Amino acid sequence: GQQLNQSPQSMFIQEGEDVSMNCTSSSIFNTWLWYKQDPGEGPVLLIALYKAGELTSNGRLTAQFGITRKDSFLNISASIPSDVGIYFCAGRRTSYDKVIFGPGTSLSVIP
Amino acid sequence: DVKVTQSSRYLVKRTGEKVFLECVQDMDHENMFWYRQDPGLGLRLIYFSYDVKMKEKGDIPEGYSVSREKKERFSLILESASTNQTSMYLCASIGGGVSNQPQHFGDGTRLSIL
Repeated sequence: GQQLNQSPQSMFIQEGEDVSMNCTSSSIFNTWLWYKQDPGEGPVLLIALYKAGELTSNGRLTAQFGITRKDSFLNISASIPSDVGIYFCAGRRTSYDKVIFGPGTSLSVIP
Repeated sequence: DVKVTQSSRYLVKRTGEKVFLECVQDMDHENMFWYRQDPGLGLRLIYFSYDVKMKEKGDIPEGYSVSREKKERFSLILESASTNQTSMYLCASIGGGVSNQPQHFGDGTRLSIL
């Protein structure tokens, strides 16, 4: 079935550093979603993107809907210890389709 | 805010038992989903339901069944639990119709089958 690829698979960064991760698909999507999952919790929606080229911020987080509609990017500025968790991208090709999830990027922040 | 509640955070059962995982949402959403999450595999869709008494197989339905008798409640059933069903189970919901709205998740049930 349809797969999403996330890169990198895991990251270890120093507190205060900026973080970049991306998500790619072989198909065109009309919706991109970014979720964060804290250890032992369910995923929580961070940002939703609905238009190619769209750039949306949520505090220190910024996500972009790629121009090709086959990718999306998430940036975290000035990371802090509570940013630790797994970041999932998700997408939907049309409004009728199921949401597809990427395998996640695991982020560790070293104080 | 949408609230999706899963009845148990942690559950330990034995091989061969019939296991019920319950999920309730309070936003009158038509669509509800059950996923399992395993390290390195991300979220995989087991079953979903787009209305009361309606259900559709997801990507990995084998060994599971579901029940949607009321709009707010979606149950996942392991007919005869096996050790390979040890996993984190996540329920999600979303409003109906043609919509690009994102799913809202519960906190998950970590199920161990011994």
